[in-house]
Amino acid sequence: GQQVMQIPQYQHVQEGEDFTTYCNSSTTLSNIQWYKQRPGGHPVFLIQLVKSGEVKKQKRLTFQFGEAKKNSSLHITATQTTDVGTYFCAGHSGTNNNDMRFGAGTRLTVKP
Amino acid sequence: DSGVTQTPKHLITATGQRVTLRCSPRSGDLSVYWYQQSLDQGLQFLIQYYNGEERAKGNILERFSAQQFPDLHSELNLSSLELGDSALYFCASSVGGWGTDYEQYFGPGTRLTVT
Repeated sequence: GQQVMQIPQYQHVQEGEDFTTYCNSSTTLSNIQWYKQRPGGHPVFLIQLVKSGEVKKQKRLTFQFGEAKKNSSLHITATQTTDVGTYFCAGHSGTNNNDMRFGAGTRLTVKP
Repeated sequence: DSGVTQTPKHLITATGQRVTLRCSPRSGDLSVYWYQQSLDQGLQFLIQYYNGEERAKGNILERFSAQQFPDLHSELNLSSLELGDSALYFCASSVGGWGTDYEQYFGPGTRLTVT
């Protein structure tokens, strides 16, 4: 079945540094979603990518979907303390997108 | 506040027991999703309902079942509970189903502890 690997597991940065988390799927995905979960909170939807090679930006966040639709990345420019949390990717595949697997998440901590 | 409500917030029960978790989606949302989040397994998709019908199934055990009622609220039933079922259970809702450009809104979760 589909596997979604996410790296790194943890990332500690100094405020102002950049941050990137990567997701790789063993199978071709129909789309991929990204979520952020603050400590003690619930996942919050960030974005969905559907097209091969798609790039979307939200302020300091840049999301990419690979040409083969098997990998994706989230890049944060100039991190702030408000970026702290765990970032998850979730890949969809299968008929009617009924196979959804989450990456293990990357926990980001930011030192002021 | 996402607009998705879940009850109860916390639940402590013994092995072998059965519990029911409840979720009310955001007004107007037709899809409800259930997820399990545990420390060693991460976030796992369990099941999705759309307008009362099961739409997609993930890693849901046979001991677990769910349904979505005509008023669109949903219940997740967990039976023959084991220690390993201790986790945070999230419900999420969305207007449509997967494959469309939409957002999933997560509830605050129900923390289940099996002793």
